[in-house]
Amino acid sequence: AQRVTQPEKLLSVFKGAPVELKCNYSYSGSPELFWYVQYSRQRLQLLLRHISRESIKGFTADLNKGETSFHLKKPFAQEEDSAMYYCALSMFSGGYNKLIFGAGTRLAVHP
Amino acid sequence: NAGVTQTPKFRVLKTGQSMTLLCAQDMNHEYMYWYRQDPGMGLRLIHYSVGEGTTAKGEVPDGYNVSRLKKQNFLLGLESAAPSQTSVYFCASSNSPGTQYFGPGTRLTVL
Repeated sequence: AQRVTQPEKLLSVFKGAPVELKCNYSYSGSPELFWYVQYSRQRLQLLLRHISRESIKGFTADLNKGETSFHLKKPFAQEEDSAMYYCALSMFSGGYNKLIFGAGTRLAVHP
Repeated sequence: NAGVTQTPKFRVLKTGQSMTLLCAQDMNHEYMYWYRQDPGMGLRLIHYSVGEGTTAKGEVPDGYNVSRLKKQNFLLGLESAAPSQTSVYFCASSNSPGTQYFGPGTRLTVL
């Protein structure tokens, strides 16, 4: 079955420390993966997608098909990175594409 | 350009009452989605629409109905609310399934 797993509910780090938010997926097709972020009192928004291979706000994510992972990384965390992060898989089902979200990881960056 | 808007922002219902949540988008997007967000479960797709006049079931459609009579609007109905439907409801729209634009959410409490 198609699934997105984010094993950590909460990740707590100090400012300046490296951050890695884990995401594993299960999908028989060719995966298309995304990271969404929700800052406090703001709406959910797209952070980055694997096909773009871009760095947004210092975050990067590499798709590893062998390990079926799409971990989100940042070398030096900032307090403003504190938010809820969701990994999502775009899958084709029932004739249409849709997103499957993981349960989310709350990142808390302490001063 | 308001993006995706949702009304109401908050609502408290008694068990058995009905209500309709309205989602509107001004980006001329074809796809629209309704999700619910629950602690530890991430976002789960309730229903979605790939165009005006079409709707389809998502992961958790039971107890909900939807309509897309106009391209810019997507309505989510609860015919007989239950405490298990206490949640935060998010609407989203897109022209490509992976890049979705979210509304601010509706916090619903069913007593």
